Amino acid sequence: GAGVSQSPRYKVAKRGQDVALRCDPISGHVSLFWYQQALGQGPEFLTYFQNEAQLDKSGLPSDRFFAERPEGSVSTLKIQRTQQEDSAVYLCASSTRLAGIAGELFFGEGSRLTVL
Amino acid sequence: DAKTTQPNSMESNEEEPVHLPCNHSTISGTDYIHWYRQLPSQGPEYVIHGLTSNVNNRMASLAIAEDRKSSTLILHRATLRDAAVYYCILTVINAGKSTFGDGTTLTVKP
Repeated sequence: GAGVSQSPRYKVAKRGQDVALRCDPISGHVSLFWYQQALGQGPEFLTYFQNEAQLDKSGLPSDRFFAERPEGSVSTLKIQRTQQEDSAVYLCASSTRLAGIAGELFFGEGSRLTVL
Repeated sequence: DAKTTQPNSMESNEEEPVHLPCNHSTISGTDYIHWYRQLPSQGPEYVIHGLTSNVNNRMASLAIAEDRKSSTLILHRATLRDAAVYYCILTVINAGKSTFGDGTTLTVKP
C-alpha cells in the first residue's frame, strides 16, 4: 500500500511483558515520528528519526521505551516490562519533512496496546 | 514549546460553514501553523498549514491573524464526514516535532 503501515493493530499484553510495535513508513520518507495517544486525549510526541538518526527522544516517558530505525526505513518501538499506564494507541507518522521544513505528516492507523 | 488553545467542542449544521478557532499567543516567528483532523479509530489526517498568509486548499481555508497569535480553520460547507477532532498545532521548525493539544470535537448535525 501507499500509506504508513503499522502492526500489530491490536496488542494485549500482561503487565511485565515486553512488546514491539512496527512501523513501515511511506517509501522515501526521510522523517519518522512516534506518538502516544491515551483515550480521549491528543497525540503526545515520543520520538523522531531523520533517516536512521534519532534526533529527538525527549518524549519517551521512561527508559522502558526504546525506538530504533536501523536502516532508515522500518522503525520499531519497544516497550519493556509493560505497565497498565502504557495502555494507549501508538501512532507512527512519516514525512518528507526535514528540520527547517514544515511538511505534512502522514499517520498510520495506530497500534492499540492494552496492558492487563 | 509554544502551546495552542482550542474550544473543547463545537457544533455545526450540515452544509453550513464552520469556523474553528485556535489561539497561539506564544508562537515564535518561524513556527508553522498546522491543522489535522482525526476520525474515530484512525490516525490524524493533514488538513492544511500556513506561516503568515491565508491558505486555501480543496479541504479547507486557513485564516491567520496579522499578529499570528490566532488562526481559524474554515470548512466552507460542513458534511457529516467532517465530524472529527480537529487539532491546531505549531511545528517547531528546528526540532521537527509537532505538539498536539486536545483539539476541538466537531459535531455536524444533519
